Amino acid sequence: DTEVTQTPKHLVMGMTNKKSLKCEQHMGHRAMYWYKQKAKKPPELMFVYSYEKLSINESVPSRFSPECPNSSLLNLHLHALQPEDSALYLCASSPHRGQESNQPQHFGDGTRLSIL
Amino acid sequence: TQLLEQSPQFLSIQEGENLTVYCNSSSVFSSLQWYRQEPGEGPVLLVTVVTGGEVKKLKRLTFQFGDARKDSSLHITAAQPGDTGLYLCAGAHQGTYKYIFGTGTRLKVLA
Repeated sequence: DTEVTQTPKHLVMGMTNKKSLKCEQHMGHRAMYWYKQKAKKPPELMFVYSYEKLSINESVPSRFSPECPNSSLLNLHLHALQPEDSALYLCASSPHRGQESNQPQHFGDGTRLSIL
Repeated sequence: TQLLEQSPQFLSIQEGENLTVYCNSSSVFSSLQWYRQEPGEGPVLLVTVVTGGEVKKLKRLTFQFGDARKDSSLHITAAQPGDTGLYLCAGAHQGTYKYIFGTGTRLKVLA
C-alpha cells in the first residue's frame, strides 16, 4: 500500500466539465508534486509545492489549476480539458530537510483520466 | 528537454539471466533515484544514490552512481518474472525540487 493516497482512481469527464483530483499524505512531507504520465512514457513534472507554496510551474496550461490547502493535501482542479489531456496523473511527496535534491519522492498510484 | 537517456528501451529476457540498465546524462546530478513502475500503479522507489562512485545493493539488484555523478547503472542478477516492469531513473540538481525522469526501460522476464 502506498503512503500517498490519490482519489479518484479513475475519472471520465467531458471537455466542458469541472472536476478535481485529490492527493493526501501523512508522512509530514513538505514538498508535493503533480506529474502527468502518458502511456509508455516517463512522468512529466507539472507543479511543485514547497511549504504549501507553488514553487515550480512547468508552463502548464491554465485549464489545470493546482491548490495546496494544507501540508497534507494537494488538489488539481480541472476545467475545459482537451482529449490530449487524457493520461495518468501522479502525485508525489518528499521530505523537506537538508539537501532537498537528495530526498526521494514517494508516489501515489495515480488517477487515470479520460477526456471524452 | 529530456536530459536523462536510458538504455535499452526494451528488454525481454529469460528467467535466470542477468541484465544491466543504463541511465546517462551530460549534466551532473546531486542525487539519482531508481524506481520500478508496474501497470496501473505509481513508481515505487528502489534506491537513492548521492555520492559519486557509490554502489548500493538491494537483494539481486546492484545500483552504481558514476564517479562524475552524470550516469548510473542498475544490474539485476538472476532475473525473475516478478522483476518485470518499467524501470525509471530520476535525477535532481543541487538545491532544487525539480526531478527529471529518464526515458525508461521496459523489462519483461519470461518464466
